[in-house]
Amino acid sequence: GQQVQQSPASLVLQEGENAELQCNFSTSLNSMQWFYQRPGGSLVSLFYNPSGTKHSGRLTSTTVIKERRSSLHISSSQTTDSGTYLCALDRNNRIFFGDGTQLVVKP
Amino acid sequence: DPKIIQKPKYLVAVTGSEKILICEQYLGHNAMYWYRQSAKKPLEFMFSYSYQKLMDNQTASSRFQPQSSKKNHLDLQITALKPDDSATYFCASSQEGGPVFFGKGTRLTVV
Repeated sequence: GQQVQQSPASLVLQEGENAELQCNFSTSLNSMQWFYQRPGGSLVSLFYNPSGTKHSGRLTSTTVIKERRSSLHISSSQTTDSGTYLCALDRNNRIFFGDGTQLVVKP
Repeated sequence: DPKIIQKPKYLVAVTGSEKILICEQYLGHNAMYWYRQSAKKPLEFMFSYSYQKLMDNQTASSRFQPQSSKKNHLDLQITALKPDDSATYFCASSQEGGPVFFGKGTRLTVV
């Protein structure tokens, strides 16, 4: 989706390293959400974060609405973190997805 | 999410045939959606429904028809199937204004 730009497109880490994934929006939004897509395809909601900072284990999401950006920080990465991370913005009941960041964590 | 049930998980169809993809959600949500993901491509929004009414349709082809017989059901009927329709179809739901949750998808292959 052109309304949602994610970076980097791909990322390779050694286990234990940290990662910072970025999401930028070109439009106003009602809310935004981060997803993890497993290699098998199913989507897991990580954060629903319209604004501010939220934490869940090794993951931290920060959304700054007026700057139209959101980030996902993964600390102490593990091989099981490998997969695709998607951000999505909700605008008037339509969800726009970014193209995703493909993360590979090597042992 | 196990509370959004999609059936079948895998589906193989012959070109020109018709199939129905089933979606039921038990989250009490009032909004339901269909998305499509072709191989190595981003998720593509197809339809959104709220209180069993079509809110948004981004699918150009009339071969794709959502059907909502109950408020927690949103099935997807696909007619005159083509090989290009091969994709994983995801159903999702939300309480309006809240987070969206996805089913595990139906992987459709048209031969």
